[in-house]
Amino acid sequence: DTGVSQDPRHKITKRGQNVTFRCDPISEHNRLYWYRQTLGQGPEFLTYFQNEAQLEKSRLLSDRFSAERPKGSFSTLEIQRTEQGDSAMYLCASSLYSGDTEAFFGQGTRLTVV
Amino acid sequence: TQLLEQSPQFLSIQEGENLTVYCNSSSVFSSLQWYRQEPGEGPVLLVTVVTGGEVKKLKRLTFQFGDARKDSSLHITAAQPGDTGLYLCAGAWYNQGGKLIFGQGTELSVKP
Repeated sequence: DTGVSQDPRHKITKRGQNVTFRCDPISEHNRLYWYRQTLGQGPEFLTYFQNEAQLEKSRLLSDRFSAERPKGSFSTLEIQRTEQGDSAMYLCASSLYSGDTEAFFGQGTRLTVV
Repeated sequence: TQLLEQSPQFLSIQEGENLTVYCNSSSVFSSLQWYRQEPGEGPVLLVTVVTGGEVKKLKRLTFQFGDARKDSSLHITAAQPGDTGLYLCAGAWYNQGGKLIFGQGTELSVKP
């Protein structure tokens, strides 16, 4: 296992379409996080899972966003009825819950809504 | 209001110069992490500091965590063009599930 993997790397979609992104964390990591990053800003927290349980969702995560981690391994982030404001880099990170918080990020999915 | 303030936001220097990036907050963090990010890529973890006053060195990079665990600095000695990138600090609290609060980042450009 070489790290956190995200797919696709780039996605261009028309406004109103649904999109789904996938994240495969480092295999022994039980925590998985989703962040969103817009140009010129640091990443912003969206949600996180410990194993299959979604433990926190940010207020940034509107009703159009849903995330799952059905078997405690990979996770998906779906955006329904995309808007131009959803254009951003979506980053996934994973960590091993052991008292510290070292998180390792994937390469991200760049979403462009046209 | 940004919980973690980084300064400067932009820095353009010549190869061989030294520089310091600051990360400040009014909040106390359990730990603080520094990342480097290149365009179109995810952040890459450089270091994690946990103890107040802690200093860690990574080749030409020196990281310090403030005594009160509210601030941190990154010092680069003899910068090289390969150091160019976005440097991000991120704070975490153990009782908040490990989610990271990021600063806005410092965009560093090192010219040969």
